[in-house]
Amino acid sequence: ETGVTQTPRHLVMGMTNKKSLKCEQHLGHNAMYWYKQSAKKPLELMFVYSLEERVENNSVPSRFSPECPNSSHLFLHLHTLQPEDSALYLCASSQEGHTNTGELFFGEGSRLTVL
Amino acid sequence: GENVEQHPSTLSVQEGDSAVIKCTYSDSASNYFPWYKQELGKRPQLIIDIRSNVGEKKDQRIAVTLNKTAKHFSLHITETQPEDSAVYFCAAARRGGADGLTFGKGTHLIIQP
Repeated sequence: ETGVTQTPRHLVMGMTNKKSLKCEQHLGHNAMYWYKQSAKKPLELMFVYSLEERVENNSVPSRFSPECPNSSHLFLHLHTLQPEDSALYLCASSQEGHTNTGELFFGEGSRLTVL
Repeated sequence: GENVEQHPSTLSVQEGDSAVIKCTYSDSASNYFPWYKQELGKRPQLIIDIRSNVGEKKDQRIAVTLNKTAKHFSLHITETQPEDSAVYFCAAARRGGADGLTFGKGTHLIIQP
């Protein structure tokens, strides 16, 4: 596998379920991201892990919980979600630092439907 | 924080014609402006970017222009082809890296045969 891979590609869950989204990057990058993509809205940055430290985003509800065990893996734990959380969740990675290009490399996304 | 406005939301052009997508930003400290293309059902991918030390950058049929005084930047696609049909997102960031990007809402470009 190369690039950024996300699993599962599709997920349907009830409001009381607990599930997790997984992301893995094979690019040797030092920063990873979760974005939410909803129809007719900008890509919304949810969380950033840069050099394995989380950059807080206070606007994201606590029902979304990220985890970054190492620089290659990123998880998004989901708990008691709402129907309005249905969206495409995109993972991305980049190389940050004085030689960075600023380019984000995205995964294919996980399409989440909350019933 | 940064606010990026993008227009139009939908753009339909005849194959072979040019397409222009415009974005404005609010933070005068922003210095990095990438454009991403997302084909239907695919991931967004960087197609071109510009930093604030230049006013224009070209790569074959695509070009980006930046006006720092007016705080706007534009994507120009010439000789459009069917494979140019996609959603295009502009973005702006302060520190020249990806970890501070604010995206526009996107423009759905439709190339009519």
